[in-house]
Amino acid sequence: QQQVKQSPQSLIVQKGGISIINCAYENTAFDYFPWYQQFPGKGPALLIAIRPDVSEKKEGRFTISFNKSAKQFSLHIMDSQPGDSATYFCAALISGGYQKVTFGTGTKLQVIP
Amino acid sequence: EAQVTQNPRYLITVTGKKLTVTCSQNMNHEYMSWYRQDPGLGLRQIYYSMNVEVTDKGDVPEGYKVSRKEKRNFPLILESPSPNQTSLYFCASASITKGGNQPQHFGDGTRLSIL
Repeated sequence: QQQVKQSPQSLIVQKGGISIINCAYENTAFDYFPWYQQFPGKGPALLIAIRPDVSEKKEGRFTISFNKSAKQFSLHIMDSQPGDSATYFCAALISGGYQKVTFGTGTKLQVIP
Repeated sequence: EAQVTQNPRYLITVTGKKLTVTCSQNMNHEYMSWYRQDPGLGLRQIYYSMNVEVTDKGDVPEGYKVSRKEKRNFPLILESPSPNQTSLYFCASASITKGGNQPQHFGDGTRLSIL
């Protein structure tokens, strides 16, 4: 059973545009939602994370929006650049440990010049 | 340099031939975990360890074994590999004593092909 649903599977955005990736979760016990960025040939690396007590978190061009009632969260990449081309994974877990980390299925983003 | 090192990076082998993928971290992290990454399925947790001699199953543990005899090492063992274990594998580690939600650090992956 997929507990974190991620969409779209792939995304092509023009340079300077906004990239939006969506995730939805089922387990209301999840209380920490990180996003990971993965370049080809590399392991995922933490990009940005949010807790459900805030509705938005921004770090540079990357913003997470969180809707607790809808059990949805999304990653927005503003002014997308070719260097942002990577696979993005959302994840959900119960904070305090990494005992059970559930990842989304990933979104392959391509930013074209 | 803080890192998680996996070996080998690539391996082609045959069904039934036991293999071990090593994972080592130099950050003194308590938590370590193995994931497999398959197209359309994302990352799925195989096994994890909260400390030395403490391991537990993740979501897809069938066909795999792990051990945690030392804090820095967490090998993944496939006793009798089968073609459905062909995948990209990642080891990760994290601190759980620093408090809060410390990020997981991932290795660069091991691509296994089982013929």
